[in-house]
Amino acid sequence: QQQVKQSPQSLIVQKGGISIINCAYENTAFDYFPWYQQFPGKGPALLIAIRPDVSEKKEGRFTISFNKSAKQFSLHIMDSQPGDSATYFCAASSGNTPLVFGKGTRLSVIA
Amino acid sequence: EPEVTQTPSHQVTQMGQEVILRCVPISNHLYFYWYRQILGQKVEFLVSFYNNEISEKSEIFDDQFSVERPDGSNFTLKIRSTKLEDSAMYFCSSNRVAHNEQFFGPGTRLTVL
Repeated sequence: QQQVKQSPQSLIVQKGGISIINCAYENTAFDYFPWYQQFPGKGPALLIAIRPDVSEKKEGRFTISFNKSAKQFSLHIMDSQPGDSATYFCAASSGNTPLVFGKGTRLSVIA
Repeated sequence: EPEVTQTPSHQVTQMGQEVILRCVPISNHLYFYWYRQILGQKVEFLVSFYNNEISEKSEIFDDQFSVERPDGSNFTLKIRSTKLEDSAMYFCSSNRVAHNEQFFGPGTRLTVL
């Protein structure tokens, strides 16, 4: 119930391509869905977040798509760059509860 | 830009020893958290702290763990008798309002030998 399932585990994308990472959840009480970016040796940094009252949120090259009925949300990175190579974690929470993280996706953007 | 800081960046200890991991959350934040990340795995919640008391803890946070906010700035995680499986990155985070963006520190890598 508390799990957030993330896929794929790893992703290789050509420079300029679109990176897509998917997450699914079961707990319908979740109402906050952030994506975190983590570089090796660093802490997770918030990239973008969405709440279920909207189906899409875009910030620069990063877009979250949210499907409430399917209980799924995804991160799209447009025009992927080598500097985007990192591990990406989706997460979810509700009310005052702590974040529940997915297992992470290691993205490699190759030139 | 304000940030969460953590010390030390790397701690090596012998099994059975006590360790204290330190965090300085962002100054006007009210909610504090500890998470851990075993190498190559996901980030897992340990404990949350608000108004000078634990508000929630996970199954991982057993009697060997404790948290404290000894003064107005530091937030500490103590592991009383470390085990090999405690080896992980430990992240502190904070936010001003619950259910809002959590800011993570750079982490402390704990190695238990």
